Amino acid sequence: ILNVEQSPQSLHVQEGDSTNFTCSFPSSNFYALHWYRWETAKSPEALFVMTLNGDEKKKGRISATLNTKEGYSYLYIKGSQPEDSATYLCASPGSNYQLIWGAGTKLIIKP
Amino acid sequence: NAGVTQTPKFQVLKTGQSMTLQCAQDMNHNSMYWYRQDPGMGLRLIYYSASEGTTDKGEVPNGYNVSRLNKREFSLRLESAAPSQTSVYFCASKEGSVATNEKLFFGSGTQLSVL
Repeated sequence: ILNVEQSPQSLHVQEGDSTNFTCSFPSSNFYALHWYRWETAKSPEALFVMTLNGDEKKKGRISATLNTKEGYSYLYIKGSQPEDSATYLCASPGSNYQLIWGAGTKLIIKP
Repeated sequence: NAGVTQTPKFQVLKTGQSMTLQCAQDMNHNSMYWYRQDPGMGLRLIYYSASEGTTDKGEVPNGYNVSRLNKREFSLRLESAAPSQTSVYFCASKEGSVATNEKLFFGSGTQLSVL
């Protein structure tokens, strides 16, 4: 079972500041990398599914990059807002195509 | 469009009791999943179903059974609940087969406590 690691575990950011966090995964036999946003008491929602090395995806103020050769992805949030407070999850398929999940980065935006 | 509907939202059981978590999706998705989420850990796959009538074990299947009676519904049963099964349970689905790189759609979760 491959390990998907996320850092940091939690992050406090001042409203208006930009921030980023990391998802690392084994670079061998890479298949895809998923990012999800999970607000408390709600369902996790997909942000991005990335497959190509060097890929960069953007959704509003949130963007993600992917480096499959070194096994990491960064999620960036520009100009953080209180509604960005959530846990951000990443996942990558294992050998049986089922997603292996990181433990998440909990982002708290301070007004 | 309801998406993935999961019931109940909360449940408290005594050790040894049984219960079934229900999940239904209205998006005509092929693949469905049951995960559990525990503090400090990533989501862990309990069981999944690639299509109606088929189910497969995930990472942590012990103590659980599942049923995919039709394309819409995928239920998770705890036959004899144990305190170690205290967790938040999520149902999820996706349109394609289990090997496709599509995003998952999640239900709102069931918070289960076993005393």
